[in-house]
Amino acid sequence: EAQVTQNPRYLITVTGKKLTVTCSQNMNHEYMSWYRQDPGLGLRQIYYSMNVEVTDKGDVPEGYKVSRKEKRNFPLILESPSPNQTSLYFCASMRSQRGETQYFGPGTRLLVL
Amino acid sequence: GENVEQHPSTLSVQEGDSAVIKCTYSDSASNYFPWYKQELGKRPQLIIDIRSNVGEKKDQRIAVTLNKTAKHFSLHITETQPEDSAVYFCAPEGYGQNFVFGPGTRLSVLP
Repeated sequence: EAQVTQNPRYLITVTGKKLTVTCSQNMNHEYMSWYRQDPGLGLRQIYYSMNVEVTDKGDVPEGYKVSRKEKRNFPLILESPSPNQTSLYFCASMRSQRGETQYFGPGTRLLVL
Repeated sequence: GENVEQHPSTLSVQEGDSAVIKCTYSDSASNYFPWYKQELGKRPQLIIDIRSNVGEKKDQRIAVTLNKTAKHFSLHITETQPEDSAVYFCAPEGYGQNFVFGPGTRLSVLP
């Protein structure tokens, strides 16, 4: 089954404790990205990757890191989480970078205390 | 970067009525115009899209119309049903490689 998976689905952590949210897709998609969703603000893009070893900042990259060592995986790293990073995070992939449907993962709900 | 707005931000309709949500954008180079639906607690999913060489596209009860000159496109839902209750996002694809979603429209279909 074609899908985007994320882990963990729920996470409670404390300020400053490094964490990683994994994202994997099995559709051989070139383009992957991370979004955060906050009430009233819609989906805001954090980082995106057009292919292996190619990543770039979205609209809200501060406090986040990403890597794309393999085509299928695109982990999101919070080196020192802060309470303002409490949010719902979605990973998404699409076949290429233009004119295609984005397929979203199930979401990761993060609470930073 | 792309500036995307949606109107209205919330919409309540009676079951069976029609609903229209409008998305305005700023990047005149945009040429792909999707609408995503997000049900409560679920992930966003594409429901319909249109490309710049087409003015209207229809899929059963939903349709999208595009006015490139005025830089807006609209989602039309006819004969609304309770399962249409969700948040709807537009995401016009601009010139750059990043994506900007509209702030969302919460549609409630009242029985």
